[in-house]
Amino acid sequence: KAGVTQTPRYLIKTRGQQVTLSCSPISGHRSVSWYQQTPGQGLQFLFEYFSETQRNKGNFPGRFSGRQFSNSRSEMNVSTLELGDSALYLCASSTTPFTYEQYFGPGTRLTVT
Amino acid sequence: KQEVTQIPAALSVPEGENLVLNCSFTDSAIYNLQWFRQDPGKGLTSLLLIQSSQREQTSGRLNASLDKSSGRSTLYIAASQPGDSATYLCAVKSGNFGNEKLTFGTGTRLTIIP
Repeated sequence: KAGVTQTPRYLIKTRGQQVTLSCSPISGHRSVSWYQQTPGQGLQFLFEYFSETQRNKGNFPGRFSGRQFSNSRSEMNVSTLELGDSALYLCASSTTPFTYEQYFGPGTRLTVT
Repeated sequence: KQEVTQIPAALSVPEGENLVLNCSFTDSAIYNLQWFRQDPGKGLTSLLLIQSSQREQTSGRLNASLDKSSGRSTLYIAASQPGDSATYLCAVKSGNFGNEKLTFGTGTRLTIIP
């Protein structure tokens, strides 16, 4: 069974631009969560989608948004990029949101210059 | 607000030794606790998941325990190998239903010395 895939793996953007990251969950998984990892803040929860609906979200500004499609694939968008948005963005999938194990993708490394 | 702490931040041990990594959390009302490893620049690999009703889980040389009442979990690694070198993260899932979140510790960077 294929694991969680994320595209692209690496991105370089300039301040003020916007970016879209993609995540394909493990087949059969309907829950997708996004996390931001930085050396200073560690791993922080961004939001979670289940059955095309945002189920909950972390404490990030409205510039961070996402969506989920009917095939459970998810995209994350960051508008008006800031230098502080440079991070590893990780996506995780699970069967359902509640108590099941989360499986992580390799991440997208975003660098904002 | 759930807070997760991992001590020590870094640990170096000779190959072959048994070792214990610690994780503590402030809110004992958790759904589960998960241990991950992360290699440099890579994503997270799930090692063990312990549901709130369980006391421990084992996989190969790894054993994780959970003491929910005291807000603690340990990851025991037997007969350590150089390939075990990585950062180990624990994460707890907690929060009201419909608002559950996975909160991560800052990790323990483990180095196994050949």
